[in-house]
Amino acid sequence: DQQVKQNSPSLSVQEGRISILNCDYTNSMFDYFLWYKKYPAEGPTFLISISSIKDKNEDGRFTVFLNKSAKHLSLHIVPSQPGDSAVYFCAASAWSDKIIFGKGTRLHILP
Amino acid sequence: DVKVTQSSRYLVKRTGEKVFLECVQDMDHENMFWYRQDPGLGLRLIYFSYDVKMKEKGDIPEGYSVSREKKERFSLILESASTNQTSMYLCASTRLAGGYNEQFFGPGTRLTVL
Repeated sequence: DQQVKQNSPSLSVQEGRISILNCDYTNSMFDYFLWYKKYPAEGPTFLISISSIKDKNEDGRFTVFLNKSAKHLSLHIVPSQPGDSAVYFCAASAWSDKIIFGKGTRLHILP
Repeated sequence: DVKVTQSSRYLVKRTGEKVFLECVQDMDHENMFWYRQDPGLGLRLIYFSYDVKMKEKGDIPEGYSVSREKKERFSLILESASTNQTSMYLCASTRLAGGYNEQFFGPGTRLTVL
C-alpha cells in the first residue's frame, strides 16, 4: 500500500512559469514532509521540508504548501529555470528514522 | 561539507556472481540506508541500520543482505546476482535525531547484471 503518492509521473512547464508538483499521503501520523531533487546518475539532494505545525515554507524560488485536512502537499517553483529539470521525490516521516518516498515526478522545463 | 560515498559509480556483473556495494559516510551518522531506484517505482528501501552490527529489513530485502561492522560503513551484498537486480543503488545516512531526518545520499551505483 502506497503511503506517499505522486500521481503525475511527468510534468512539462515553460521556462519562467510556475511549476507545481503535487503529493498525497495516507498516513495521518506523518508529521514531517520533504522534497528531494534528483538529476540522472546522481543521488537525490534535499530541497525543502515542512513540519505539520506549518502550512507553508518558503526558500527562495521554492515553496512547499501543506494541507493536512486533505493530506496533500505541493511544491511550487517560480520562476522555473532550465536547471530545475529533474525528478522530484516527495517524502514523509512519522517521528521515526525511516522516510517514506513517493515514486517521483519528472519535471521538464521547456525553453 | 557532508559526504556519502559509494565504492563504484558503474558496475557490470554476471548472473550468479556475489556482488558487494560499499557505502561510507563521514558525518558520524548512526542511521544508514540502502535503496534501489527503478523507473516508475521510485525509491524502495532494501535494508537499513540504526547502529553498528544492527540491521533491519526494508520493503524489498529478498536477495540482499547487509553488513555494518563500523559506524561509517554500510555494505550491501547480493549473494547471487540476478538480472532483476539490475538497478540504481543509492546509499543514504541520517543523524539520530528523532523523526525529523533529512537523508544525505551518495551518488549511486548503476549495477547491470548480465
